[in-house]
Amino acid sequence: AQSVTQLDSHVSVSEGTPVLLRCNYSSSYSPSLFWYVQHPNKGLQLLLKYTSAATLVKGINGFEAEFKKSETSFHLTKPSAHMSDAAEYFCVVSATSGTYKYIFGTGTRLKVLA
Amino acid sequence: EAGVVQSPRYKIIEKKQPVAFWCNPISGHNTLYWYLQNLGQGPELLIRYENEEAVDDSQLPKDRFSAERLKGVDSTLKIQPAELGDSAVYLCASSSNRGSGANVLTFGAGSRLTVL
Repeated sequence: AQSVTQLDSHVSVSEGTPVLLRCNYSSSYSPSLFWYVQHPNKGLQLLLKYTSAATLVKGINGFEAEFKKSETSFHLTKPSAHMSDAAEYFCVVSATSGTYKYIFGTGTRLKVLA
Repeated sequence: EAGVVQSPRYKIIEKKQPVAFWCNPISGHNTLYWYLQNLGQGPELLIRYENEEAVDDSQLPKDRFSAERLKGVDSTLKIQPAELGDSAVYLCASSSNRGSGANVLTFGAGSRLTVL
């Protein structure tokens, strides 16, 4: 069975400060993990993915995430927040066993203060 | 490359009326998904197609919801009759099992349904 928990429903940061969005997962198989971003009234856009290669994954727009198996975590970070980063972020887990079942977290709304 | 196309973007209907949503996936993507997204929540799978076959429809409320993907390309999701609780965003996504983007979901912009 798979599950994903996003530990914060809302995060507020000031522009230019670091961003940390936390995600813990549970999976019976070696997981694939993803972060998606959703801007208001838009579809979900892939930020980055982990599929058992390098544990530090770099994505678009300066975001990166680190897969930590011992902590079952896949936290999303960015060194310096920009106003355009304000959006909803979803952590997603999928088993690599071929079932192609994707489980979404409940989302973290990121607010960036000027 | 065109992305996943959904229509309509917005739909307002009275309860008990029927409604249909259409999705055209990325060319060559064999897997198509319909997700339901309620306000403030993450997407939840309704149905997954591998080509024209529905391989996971366990979360589809079959008393009022139906879906089809007749030629293994575009797909239609129908609700009949709609209820107030069906107000949500209906997201379509597609993926391929080949190449560097294998098994990565690409989403459409969604169809926002309001049932009055």
